Amino acid sequence: AQKVTQAQTEISVVEKEDVTLDCVYETRDTTYYLFWYKQPPSGELVFLIRRNSFDEQNEISGRYSWNFQKSTSSFNFTITASQVVDSAVYFCALRGFPSNTGKLIFGQGTTLQVKP
Amino acid sequence: DSGVTQTPKHLITATGQRVTLRCSPRSGDLSVYWYQQSLDQGLQFLIQYYNGEERAKGNILERFSAQQFPDLHSELNLSSLELGDSALYFCASSPYSASTGELFFGEGSRLTVL
Repeated sequence: AQKVTQAQTEISVVEKEDVTLDCVYETRDTTYYLFWYKQPPSGELVFLIRRNSFDEQNEISGRYSWNFQKSTSSFNFTITASQVVDSAVYFCALRGFPSNTGKLIFGQGTTLQVKP
Repeated sequence: DSGVTQTPKHLITATGQRVTLRCSPRSGDLSVYWYQQSLDQGLQFLIQYYNGEERAKGNILERFSAQQFPDLHSELNLSSLELGDSALYFCASSPYSASTGELFFGEGSRLTVL
C-alpha cells in the first residue's frame, strides 16, 4: 500500500524565519513520483514540484528547496526567509509507477502560518 | 489558471437532496480525477475517468456517482446528501490514463449541506 505522512499538522513562524515541512512516504514500487502542492487561503491547489525516484538531487527554486532522501523515504520542503504570502496548506503526494492510474496519494497537509 | 474549470464554485443545499458538480478538463487532457477535501479527511481520491471510461476507484460512497461525457467533461453526482458530505470537491485532469506528470486542479466546488 502507498501512504504519505505529514506529521506536522500546523506550523507557525515569524516572517523571515526558515521553515521545513516534513514528508515521509511508503511505497513498494521501485519507481515512483513525489509532488508538493500549495493550497493558499483562496482554496485552489497549486503545483510546486515533481521529483522521480531516480533523481535524488536536491532542488532549489528561489526561496524554496526540496530535499529528497530515499534512505529515509523522505521528501522535505524548506522555505527560506518565509513571507506572509507563504501562509497556506502544503500537501505532499505520491504516485507509483508503473500503474494503470495517474491518481495521487496525498498526505494530510501541513498548515503554515507566517506572521508578520 | 490551471485550465480546469469547475462549476458551481459554491453550493448550499439540504440533507437528502441531490447535486451535480461539473468539471471541464484542460484542453487535450483525457483523464479526469475527482477528489474530496474535508476537514478531517484531507484530500481523498474518489474516482478517475479516462476517455469516457472508469479507470480507478477510491473511497467513493455508493451515494456518489460520476461519468465522463464524449466531449470529455465530467460530472460528479452526489445524492441523499448528509451533513458529512460538506466538503470541497476538486476535479483534476491529466493528458493520459497513467500520466507521470502533475495533475492540474480546478478551483474546487464547495458544497455545504445544511
